[in-house]
Amino acid sequence: KQEVTQIPAALSVPEGENLVLNCSFTDSAIYNLQWFRQDPGKGLTSLLLIQSSQREQTSGRLNASLDKSSGRSTLYIAASQPGDSATYLCAVRGTGRRALTFGSGTRLQVQP
Amino acid sequence: ETGVTQSPTHLIKTRGQQVTLRCSSQSGHNTVSWYQQALGQGPQFIFQYYREEENGRGNFPPRFSGLQFPNYSSELNVNALELDDSALYLCASSLTRQGTYNEQFFGPGTRLTVL
Repeated sequence: KQEVTQIPAALSVPEGENLVLNCSFTDSAIYNLQWFRQDPGKGLTSLLLIQSSQREQTSGRLNASLDKSSGRSTLYIAASQPGDSATYLCAVRGTGRRALTFGSGTRLQVQP
Repeated sequence: ETGVTQSPTHLIKTRGQQVTLRCSSQSGHNTVSWYQQALGQGPQFIFQYYREEENGRGNFPPRFSGLQFPNYSSELNVNALELDDSALYLCASSLTRQGTYNEQFFGPGTRLTVL
């Protein structure tokens, strides 16, 4: 059974700082991995999707990497802004599976 | 292009009641997945519908059931509500083609409170 862990559970940083969020998964036989952003009480906004054959994806100030063999992914946020404050969720889709398996998220607060 | 929509936004029910939540998939998508997100947790997969049939199910009891309609919209029904059913219910739509699992796009969710 796939398990996804995100560390840290919460993070508070000053504006402008670069930061890394971590995600680990137990079964390396994945189809893809996705990073989401969730604002309080809201739905999920997809940030980046990495196929199992890819090593990284970039969008603006965001860069996500994937190391399937070690079961790890990182989300790098450059020059953080107060508007980046949200919960960031990592989700894995296994081969042959329809569902996404989510971590519990990292709650990020960027202080002005 | 219309995104994924869900209704209602919020709902309050009492224990033992039944509830129906609705989801309209994104234009061009044929697959709907439902997730339950308890406070402070990541979403948990309930089930998925493709071509109007259940196409995978998570670890949820039979009192959680669903439907998909010919226009690909979907309903989630929960019978005999329990306090622990209080959560944000998320719907996600995607396009399924033979052998391809495409990105899931999420709706804003329905917040269910069971008293």
